[in-house]
Amino acid sequence: GEDVEQSLFLSVREGDSSVINCTYTDSSSTYLYWYKQEPGAGLQLLTYIFSNMDMKQDQRLTVLLNKKDKHLSLRIADTQTGDSAIYFCAAGGSGGGADGLTFGKGTHLIIQP
Amino acid sequence: DAGVIQSPRHEVTEMGQEVTLRCKPISGHNSLFWYRQTMMRGLELLIYFNNNVPIDDSGMPEDRFSAKMPNASFSTLKIQPSEPRDSAVYFCASRLGREEQFFGPGTRLTVL
Repeated sequence: GEDVEQSLFLSVREGDSSVINCTYTDSSSTYLYWYKQEPGAGLQLLTYIFSNMDMKQDQRLTVLLNKKDKHLSLRIADTQTGDSAIYFCAAGGSGGGADGLTFGKGTHLIIQP
Repeated sequence: DAGVIQSPRHEVTEMGQEVTLRCKPISGHNSLFWYRQTMMRGLELLIYFNNNVPIDDSGMPEDRFSAKMPNASFSTLKIQPSEPRDSAVYFCASRLGREEQFFGPGTRLTVL
């Protein structure tokens, strides 16, 4: 089955860019997602990219996909204290029907003042 | 819409007791997912339903866990008997078709 890996922690200074990386194993994954989890809350979809795209930009967020290397990254420009959260990479859509996603363990983004 | 509703938000129980977690998906969504989150194992998919039918329960850890979806607006995840290693946050999520999954706030379960 699918395996999604990401580093557990990332520490950046406020105002700098954050880059969170993720690798997945199933090359047939159609959808690749980034979810954000704030303390004590559920996950919220941040952005997503289809496997036929290599980049998607949405305000301060940039998603890069290297399908050959099965590598996905999320760049947050001008990181703010409100960006402090756990960021989950998720892959899915390789099967038919409403299949579940495979999530990474999440990257804790820590913002230094 | 109120979003995905889970109850209770917190549950503390003793080892050996039965625990029932409840989920109300977003109205009109046809898929429902149960996840478990722990520090050690991250977020794990336990089971998901499509049109109230269980599709994949391969993530259910053992026979002590069972899930039902008697209708489109309600699902339960039951643990009987509960053990301390079941302590985790349990999330329910729902989805319409291939759209994004919407997560509930989670139930924090502590088994003493």
